Amino acid sequence: EAQVTQNPRYLITVTGKKLTVTCSQNMNHEYMSWYRQDPGLGLRQIYYSMNVEVTDKGDVPEGYKVSRKEKRNFPLILESPSPNQTSLYFCASSLGTGAGEQYFGPGTRLTVT
Amino acid sequence: SQQGEEDPQALSIQEGENATMNCSYKTSINNLQWYRQNSGRGLVHLILIRSNEREKHSGRLRVTLDTSKKSSSLLITASRAADTASYFCATPSGGYQKVTFGTGTKLQVIP
Repeated sequence: EAQVTQNPRYLITVTGKKLTVTCSQNMNHEYMSWYRQDPGLGLRQIYYSMNVEVTDKGDVPEGYKVSRKEKRNFPLILESPSPNQTSLYFCASSLGTGAGEQYFGPGTRLTVT
Repeated sequence: SQQGEEDPQALSIQEGENATMNCSYKTSINNLQWYRQNSGRGLVHLILIRSNEREKHSGRLRVTLDTSKKSSSLLITASRAADTASYFCATPSGGYQKVTFGTGTKLQVIP
């Protein structure tokens, strides 16, 4: 089944404790992206990747890192999480560019205390 | 910054009625997409309309695009309770690699 998976689905952590949210797609998509969703703000793009080893900042990259060492994986790293990073996070992938249809993962709900 | 802004923010209708939601954007686009999100779940792509198209249909969905006004509308005809969800428009920017989503319209269809 074609899908985007994220892990973990739920995470409660404390300020400053490094964490990684994994994202994997099995559709051989070139483009992958991370978004955060906050009430009243819609989805905001954090980082995106056009291909292996090619990443770029979205609208809200501060406090986040990403890497794209393999085509299928695009982990999101929070080196020192803070409470303002409490949010619902989505990973998505697309066959070509960000202008194409995106397939979304189920989301990761992160709480930083 | 948020490029897409949608209105209304929330819409409540009776089953069988039509639902219309609107999206405005700020810069030139090559396409505009609509997505649906059931509560707390991942978004699902509904329809894509290119900048040289004015109207597009898919089942009970009808999307229009007015590039002169930088706006789009999504019409859901003969709504069903299962259409209850949030709907977002999305536009590519930054060389068509960045994607900006609107703030969404929350639709409630009452059985």
